[in-house]
Amino acid sequence: QKEVEQNSGPLSVPEGAIASLNCTYSDRGSQSFFWYRQYSGKSPELIMFIYSNGDKEDGRFTAQLNKASQYVSLLIRDSQPSDSATYLCAVKDSSGSARQLTFGSGTQLTVLP
Amino acid sequence: EAGVAQSPRYKIIEKRQSVAFWCNPISGHATLYWYQQILGQGPKLLIQFQNNGVVDDSQLPKDRFSAERLKGVDSTLKIQPAKLEDSAVYLCASSGTSGGRETQYFGPGTRLLVL
Repeated sequence: QKEVEQNSGPLSVPEGAIASLNCTYSDRGSQSFFWYRQYSGKSPELIMFIYSNGDKEDGRFTAQLNKASQYVSLLIRDSQPSDSATYLCAVKDSSGSARQLTFGSGTQLTVLP
Repeated sequence: EAGVAQSPRYKIIEKRQSVAFWCNPISGHATLYWYQQILGQGPKLLIQFQNNGVVDDSQLPKDRFSAERLKGVDSTLKIQPAKLEDSAVYLCASSGTSGGRETQYFGPGTRLLVL
């Protein structure tokens, strides 16, 4: 069974610091990786996706992918209290045309003012 | 572009009752998903449609859950009879292409409480 593992947290960082969120996955053939942000009581919102090894930057967010280690991370620079949310890592199934996402359980991030 | 619409937003029922949820995907999105998200967990896929056909329903508890997408647009998810453990948020998502890649977008969800 395909698994996506995240530290559940909570992770607390001071405002302005770098928040580092980590995710490992079991399916070596996975091709696409997504980070969703979910505020309490809200639905998941896509913030980043990455397909190639290395780093991908978008504003204050950087996604890092290492397929050999089956590891994907999300860095949030200059963290703001508004970044406080649960961050879900999702991995797209590599098999056939199903195009399904398998989600981790999420890491709860709190940015302290 | 309008997002994924879901209704109702909240529902409280007693165990053994039935309930139905409705979803309208983003216009033009052929693929529609229903997820169950239990508090403190990530979303778990229940069923995936491509147009009006089922692609995967392997994690759908078929003894009590059913879903349909008759005209390839709107979809309904039904639970009959409901159990206490069905208390969760039911998320509908549809997928389209962004930046050359397929991306899922979620609706606001229906929060179900079974008493």
